Amino acid sequence: KAGVTQTPRYLIKTRGQQVTLSCSPISGHRSVSWYQQTPGQGLQFLFEYFSETQRNKGNFPGRFSGRQFSNSRSEMNVSTLELGDSALYLCASNNLNTEAFFGQGTRLTVV
Amino acid sequence: KQEVTQIPAALSVPEGENLVLNCSFTDSAIYNLQWFRQDPGKGLTSLLLIQSSQREQTSGRLNASLDKSSGRSTLYIAASQPGDSATYLCAVGGKQSNYKLTFGKGTLLTVNP
Repeated sequence: KAGVTQTPRYLIKTRGQQVTLSCSPISGHRSVSWYQQTPGQGLQFLFEYFSETQRNKGNFPGRFSGRQFSNSRSEMNVSTLELGDSALYLCASNNLNTEAFFGQGTRLTVV
Repeated sequence: KQEVTQIPAALSVPEGENLVLNCSFTDSAIYNLQWFRQDPGKGLTSLLLIQSSQREQTSGRLNASLDKSSGRSTLYIAASQPGDSATYLCAVGGKQSNYKLTFGKGTLLTVNP
């Protein structure tokens, strides 16, 4: 069974640009969660999608958004990038037991 | 608001030693607790999941316990090996939104050969 796939693995963007990250969950998993990991704040929850609906949202500005498609793949978008958005973005695929399985992450650097 | 604390922040042990990592949480109304390991620059690997109705889970050399009433969990690693060197993260899922995990800052474990 394939694991969680995140693309791209690395990104370098300029302040003010926007970026889209992609996550393909484990086959059969309908819930996808996104997290931001930084050295200072650790891992922080962004949002969770289930069957194309956002069910939970963390405390992040509206520049951070996401969506989920009918095949459970998910994307997250960050608009008007700031230097502080530089982080490792992790996607988790959740089974019915609520166990979370994480991808390798996308390392975003904003310059 | 749930807060998760992990102590110690870093731990260095000689190979073969048994060790315990600690995790505490402020709100005992949890749905589950999960332990992960993270290697530098990589994603998280799930180690053990404990549902709120369970007291412990075991996988190989790993044993995790949960005491909801006191807001504590421990991860016991037996006969540590250099390959166990990583950051260990504890995360709790809340009863209201069990797919949302609240993480501790982690324990950086170094096992010296």
